[in-house]
Amino acid sequence: AQSVTQPDIHITVSEGASLELRCNYSYGATPYLFWYVQSPGQGLQLLLKYFSGDTLVQGIKGFEAEFKRSQSSFNLRKPSVHWSDAAEYFCAVGDILTGGGNKLTFGTGTQLKVEL
Amino acid sequence: NAGVTQTPKFRILKIGQSMTLQCAQDMNHNYMYWYRQDPGMGLKLIYYSVGAGITDKGEVPNGYNVSRSTTEDFPLRLELAAPSQTSVYFCASRLAGSLVDNEQFFGPGTRLTVL
Repeated sequence: AQSVTQPDIHITVSEGASLELRCNYSYGATPYLFWYVQSPGQGLQLLLKYFSGDTLVQGIKGFEAEFKRSQSSFNLRKPSVHWSDAAEYFCAVGDILTGGGNKLTFGTGTQLKVEL
Repeated sequence: NAGVTQTPKFRILKIGQSMTLQCAQDMNHNYMYWYRQDPGMGLKLIYYSVGAGITDKGEVPNGYNVSRSTTEDFPLRLELAAPSQTSVYFCASRLAGSLVDNEQFFGPGTRLTVL
């Protein structure tokens, strides 16, 4: 089974500072990778995804992520954080269901706090 | 489109009670999923369905049942509620095919407490 590790449970940054959230995956082939954001009391929203090609992918809300095969990483970045970015962020890898079809396997999440 | 809707938003159950968490989508999606989210544990897949009449177990199915009689609805049933089922439950759906080409959409969640 595939797995995703998000080593940072909590991160605090000041508004306007840069942000990097870490994600490491375990997968035998080229992975499908995703970042989701969950605002308080809300469901998950897709920020960006990677499956092939350019290893730097752009997403919504000014986020980007870089796929590094040699490090099995897919870290999320943002040059300048806004107070509204405070949320929980989940990294996920596409996986195969035993009964057919696909599913997402999620990491444990990183809670981002933004200080004004 | 309303997207993925879930009811109720909140519920408190007593041990041994039963209830059904409702999930509906109006996007004609084939795939539907139920996850539970516990603090520090991420999302774990409970059950999933690849189409009407077809359901299968995920990682943590014990204590739950599902049915998929229509494309739109995918209710999750708790028969004998236990404190270990205190969690936030998310329903999700997407079209069949590649995960990359077909975004998975999530509902707003149901927060369940079992006392």
